[in-house]
Amino acid sequence: QVQLHQWGVGLLKPSETLSLTCGVSGGSFNSYSWTWIRQAPGKELEWIGEVNDDGGTLCKSSLKSRVTISLDTPKKQMSLRLTSVTAADTAVYYCARTASSGGSHSDAYMDVWGKGTTVTVSS
Amino acid sequence: QSVLTQPPSLSAAPGQKVIISCSGSSSNIGNNYVSWYQQLPGTAPKLLMFENNQRPSGIPDRFSGSKSGTSVTLGITGLQIEDEANYYCETWDDSLRAVVFGGGTMLTVL
Repeated sequence: QVQLHQWGVGLLKPSETLSLTCGVSGGSFNSYSWTWIRQAPGKELEWIGEVNDDGGTLCKSSLKSRVTISLDTPKKQMSLRLTSVTAADTAVYYCARTASSGGSHSDAYMDVWGKGTTVTVSS
Repeated sequence: QSVLTQPPSLSAAPGQKVIISCSGSSSNIGNNYVSWYQQLPGTAPKLLMFENNQRPSGIPDRFSGSKSGTSVTLGITGLQIEDEANYYCETWDDSLRAVVFGGGTMLTVL
């Protein structure tokens, strides 16, 4: 059974860089995209971006200048870096596996999720 | 303001049926498949429905999905206490070139 394990620093000061890693166990790493989503306290889910199995990335436009998502296929891991964090970046960050029957965004869905990592930005 | 619009909250009694709506536009729901996620308090979201009306293995047939134009609905019959959760719709937006979520619907079973 596929499981996603997340880890990273949970407390940051403003202007620091958020760095999270998501490891995959129990399943294939190829033929999927890997996605980061966050949820601010009491708020809805927000898509941050994704990386496909070729290493190609796509990010939410408002975060694009600060986000790097990368893949380490041999280690079956993906990573998120978010620079220059502010209090507005305080959230639970989730990684998820994205599957697609037709291989496009049109029919993609997130079928396996990590447990989430709480990140707090405070001076 | 979320790109996809859901009612913030709904409530129903155990055993009853509830329908959660999610409306969008031609650039998202109108042209792409929709997924639904269930988020129990304090836990990660869980895939409930994909490609508008397909249930992953393990999801009971009390849950159903449908789509019409630029709106989708999630139906839950025979409500149980453990169905009390937040429900989110999600799809791809062609104009934004991004995944978009609804604002979520908090379902209370009382």
